[in-house]
Amino acid sequence: GQSLEQPSEVTAVEGAIVQINCTYQTSGFYGLSWYQQHDGGAPTFLSYNALDGLEETGRFSSFLSRSDSYGYLLLQELQMKDSASYFCAVRDGTGNTPLVFGKGTRLSVIA
Amino acid sequence: DVKVTQSSRYLVKRTGEKVFLECVQDMDHENMFWYRQDPGLGLRLIYFSYDVKMKEKGDIPEGYSVSREKKERFSLILESASTNQTSMYLCASSSSETQYFGPGTRLLVL
Repeated sequence: GQSLEQPSEVTAVEGAIVQINCTYQTSGFYGLSWYQQHDGGAPTFLSYNALDGLEETGRFSSFLSRSDSYGYLLLQELQMKDSASYFCAVRDGTGNTPLVFGKGTRLSVIA
Repeated sequence: DVKVTQSSRYLVKRTGEKVFLECVQDMDHENMFWYRQDPGLGLRLIYFSYDVKMKEKGDIPEGYSVSREKKERFSLILESASTNQTSMYLCASSSSETQYFGPGTRLLVL
C-alpha cells in the first residue's frame, strides 16, 4: 500500500524558518508535491519535485531525496498569513494515476 | 486562471435522500477527482475520471457514484445519504502534475 507521514502540527514564530517533513512508502514513485490549504479554503499547489534536490520558489523551498523516500517543505521569513495546513502528496504511477495525500500539517505562526 | 466551481458551498440533507454534487472546470482538463476531507484524516479519494464516461474507484467509493457525461463536468452522487457522509467534499481537475481544487461543498446529513 501507500502511506505518507508528516507531523500533525507545527508552531513557529513570525520571521523564523520552519521545515515540514514528509516520508512516504509507495510501490512506485513519480514525484512529490506540496499543497497549502487555509481554513475554509481549497488546497492550492505549492511545489513539485520529481528529482532529488532543492526547488526554490520565493520564500518557499521543497526538497526531495528519493533514496531516503523523504522530502520537506521549507518556509522562510514566516508571515502570519502562512498559518495554514500543508499537505504532501505523491504519485506512485504514471499517466492518470491520482495523487495520494498525507494527512496534513497544521502550521501556526505566532507573533 | 484555472477555475473549478462546485454547485454549492453548504448543503443540508436528510438521511436517505439522494444528493448530487456538481463540479465544473473550465480548462479542458482530462482528469477530474472527488475527495472528502475530514479532520485528522486528510484528503481521501472517492472517485476519479480520466476521460468522458470513464470512472475509477478511489480509496473510499462505498456509498457514492459518479457521472462524467461531458469533459468539463464531474458529478458525485450519494444514492442514499447517511450521517457518516457528513463531510467537506472537494472536487479537483488536472492535466499534469498540478491539481486545481474547487472551493468545496460542506455537506451536513441529518
